[in-house]
Amino acid sequence: AQTVTQSQPEMSVQEAETVTLSCTYDTSESDYYLFWYKQPPSRQMILVIRQEAYKQQNATENRFSVNFQKAAKSFSLKISDSQLGDAAMYFCAYRSTGANSKLTFGKGITLSVRP
Amino acid sequence: KAGVTQTPRYLIKTRGQQVTLSCSPISGHRSVSWYQQTPGQGLQFLFEYFSETQRNKGNFPGRFSGRQFSNSRSEMNVSTLELGDSALYLCASSYFLGGGSEAFFGQGTRLTVV
Repeated sequence: AQTVTQSQPEMSVQEAETVTLSCTYDTSESDYYLFWYKQPPSRQMILVIRQEAYKQQNATENRFSVNFQKAAKSFSLKISDSQLGDAAMYFCAYRSTGANSKLTFGKGITLSVRP
Repeated sequence: KAGVTQTPRYLIKTRGQQVTLSCSPISGHRSVSWYQQTPGQGLQFLFEYFSETQRNKGNFPGRFSGRQFSNSRSEMNVSTLELGDSALYLCASSYFLGGGSEAFFGQGTRLTVV
């Protein structure tokens, strides 16, 4: 079974600084998708960034980028120029390409941003 | 375009009762999945429906059930409620199954069992 591990329960970053959130996963499959979701206090999960395992190039969305290391099964999220609105819970998630696959989440990490 | 709508937003029930939660997906989306979120267990997959058929199910007791209608709206039902069922229940919709289709989440239903 696939598992997703986020070992840091909390992190803090100074506004305008850069922070990296860590995630590791375990799978025996070769093709899959990895995601970072943001859950602010409003509770609505928002997709931050997605990475397809067969693509070697790391995904980037504005201030958000990932470091995808397939061999190490590592998928970290880097937030540059942190803003107060980035404060939220962040979840790393995995899903295989199969139609009957499910989205598997890590435990999440609470990110606070200091003004 | 309207997002995923979950109703009700908050619910308080008594042990032993049953509850039905509703999820209306984004127009055109045919897949709806449900998740339970608790502080202790995190986000756990309940089930996923596509075109009115259950395609996958998580490790939850049979008290948890769901269904999907022809308009893709979905309901989940929990019978004989237990205190441990208190959680945030999230649903997500997507165009098709699998990781290639982005999942859009609703704001959730906060269920409290007393």
